[in-house]
Parts: sequence; C-alpha cells; structure tokens
Amino acid sequence: GQNIDQPTEMTATEGAIVQINCTYQTSGFNGLFWYQQHAGEAPTFLSYNVLDGLEEKGRFSSLLSRSKGYSYLLLKELQMKDSASYLCAVRDSNYQLIWGAGTKLIIKP
Amino acid sequence: NAGVTQTPKFRILKIGQSMTLQCTQDMNHNYMYWYRQDPGMGLKLIYYSVGAGITDKGEVPNGYNVSRSTTEDFPLRLELAAPSQTSVYFCASSYEGQGTRYEKLFFGSGTQLSVL
Repeated sequence: GQNIDQPTEMTATEGAIVQINCTYQTSGFNGLFWYQQHAGEAPTFLSYNVLDGLEEKGRFSSLLSRSKGYSYLLLKELQMKDSASYLCAVRDSNYQLIWGAGTKLIIKP
Repeated sequence: NAGVTQTPKFRILKIGQSMTLQCTQDMNHNYMYWYRQDPGMGLKLIYYSVGAGITDKGEVPNGYNVSRSTTEDFPLRLELAAPSQTSVYFCASSYEGQGTRYEKLFFGSGTQLSVL
C-alpha cells in the first residue's frame, strides 16, 4: 500500500530552527508537496519538489531525496505564527495526491 | 478575488438526513476536488472533476455524490447521512494544463459536519 509518514507533533522555540521529516512509499513518484494548515483553517501551499535537492523560499526550505523516499521541511527563525500543522503529500504514478497525517508544530516563547 | 468559497461552515445532521455542501471558485480552474479530513489522518479524496461535465471517484466515494455542470461550481451531496460521515470537508481547485509545472491546490475554508 501507499504510505506517508510524518511525526505527529514537534515542539520548538521561537527564533530557533526546526526540521520536519517526511518519508514516503508510493506507487510511483510525480512530485512532493508541503502545505501549512493553521488550526481550524484550510491548508495553504508552501513548496513543491520533483527533483532531488533543496528548494528555498524565504525562511522555509524543502529538501527531496527520491532514492531514500525522503523529504524534510526546514523552518528558520521560528515565529509564533508558524505554530500550525504541516502536511506532506506525494503525487503518485496516477497523479493522485497521497497525504500524510500532518505534523503539529508547537512554538514556545 | 474570492478564490474558493465553501458553504456552510458548520452543520449538524441527524442520521438519515441529506444535505448539499456548496463549492464555487472564481479562478477559472479546470480541476476541482472534495476531501474529508479526520483527526490523525491524512486528507482523503472523495470525488474530483477535471472539467465541467466530468467527475470521477476518489478514495472514499461511498455515501456521496457530485455534479459539475459549470466550471465554477462543484457541489457535494450527502445522501442518508451516517455518523461515519462526521468530518471536516474541504473543497479545492487547481489549474492543470500546458505550461504548468505542477498543480497547487487552493482550498475552501472547510465545513465542519457532525452527524448525530
């Protein structure tokens, strides 16, 4: 079966750096997405990776290693507003999105 | 731009009742989706549409129906509501076509549905 694994919850300190990991086992691979979801709100797009390597966008970076079935989302200079769930999703060989359960990130002052 | 508009935001149904969740988008996106999100689980695709008049089942279609008569609208119908349909429902849209490297989903604000 198809599977996306992420830690359920992580805690970090304001101003610090946190890395959220995502491992996947899917039938084929056509890209990996990260979305941010604040409590009670809709997911919003953060990043997309289809080739191995690092994609950087401001304080957020996402890395992909297709050979390892692995990605991480790196958040730098954490702010209180970064408290949210982070969803990893992989597009499989049928171009269907398979979603992880999400990682709830708690930022402490 | 309103983006994706989804109504209602909250609804309580009794077992066996029916209802329609409304979804409309003003971005001229060709793809539209309905997802449900349950605690501790990833988003599950219920139905999707690649254009007006074309719909297809997702991962968890049982107990639901959809229609896509226009590009803008993609309502989700729940017939004979059951407690297992208690969930948060999200409508989403995206544009896929020549020149797009990837589709970015735009989500509506969600509907919290309880079936009691």
